Amino acid sequence: SQTIHQWPATLVQPVGSPLSLECTVEGTSNPNLYWYRQAAGRGLQLLFYSVGIGQISSEVPQNLSASRPQDRQFILSSKKLLLSDSGFYLCAWSGQSSYNSPLHFGNGTRLTVT
Amino acid sequence: AQKITQTQPGMFVQEKEAVTLDCTYDTSDPSYGLFWYKQPSSGEMIFLIYQGSYDQQNATEGRYSLNFQKARKSANLVISASQLGDSAMYFCAMREEHKLSFGAGTTVTVRA
Repeated sequence: SQTIHQWPATLVQPVGSPLSLECTVEGTSNPNLYWYRQAAGRGLQLLFYSVGIGQISSEVPQNLSASRPQDRQFILSSKKLLLSDSGFYLCAWSGQSSYNSPLHFGNGTRLTVT
Repeated sequence: AQKITQTQPGMFVQEKEAVTLDCTYDTSDPSYGLFWYKQPSSGEMIFLIYQGSYDQQNATEGRYSLNFQKARKSANLVISASQLGDSAMYFCAMREEHKLSFGAGTTVTVRA
């Protein structure tokens, strides 16, 4: 069966520091991969998605970036964190079929920028 | 423009009763999928139910059913026989090609 791992679970970082969140998927090949952010009590905002190695689509211009160095690895990064980057970050994967495949989420990373 | 609208920020339901969560969507794409997710206080996103735009029948999964009215662009979730463990945030989502867009969510509180 497929599993998704996301770490760390919580993170407290000072403003201006770098960020690296990692997500890996097991049990499937060539998945679509996603990064979402959720502000407290709000819905999920799509940040990036990838349909293959090295293919990244950005949904929201910001100081975050994403990379997919391997088929089942997705990394969210920042060179300098802002206070507004605080939130709950969720990684997700889906099969390659388009609109009828659900996304399956990791357990999330709660990021607090101080 | 908002693609998914959930107009109920919060709802209370008595244990063992049914509750309906409203969701309307906006798309011009003929091929799309509609999903409902549950998010307990722990934060994980749990996939509940799926309805495809070409599906003729409403989807059901155990105590969850999706009332799909295509002409009205609505996809309401019905939870029957509510349990205390159903207390959570519920999100309606729509997938067009690769992207899944979420509504703002509805908090459901089940009372004993």
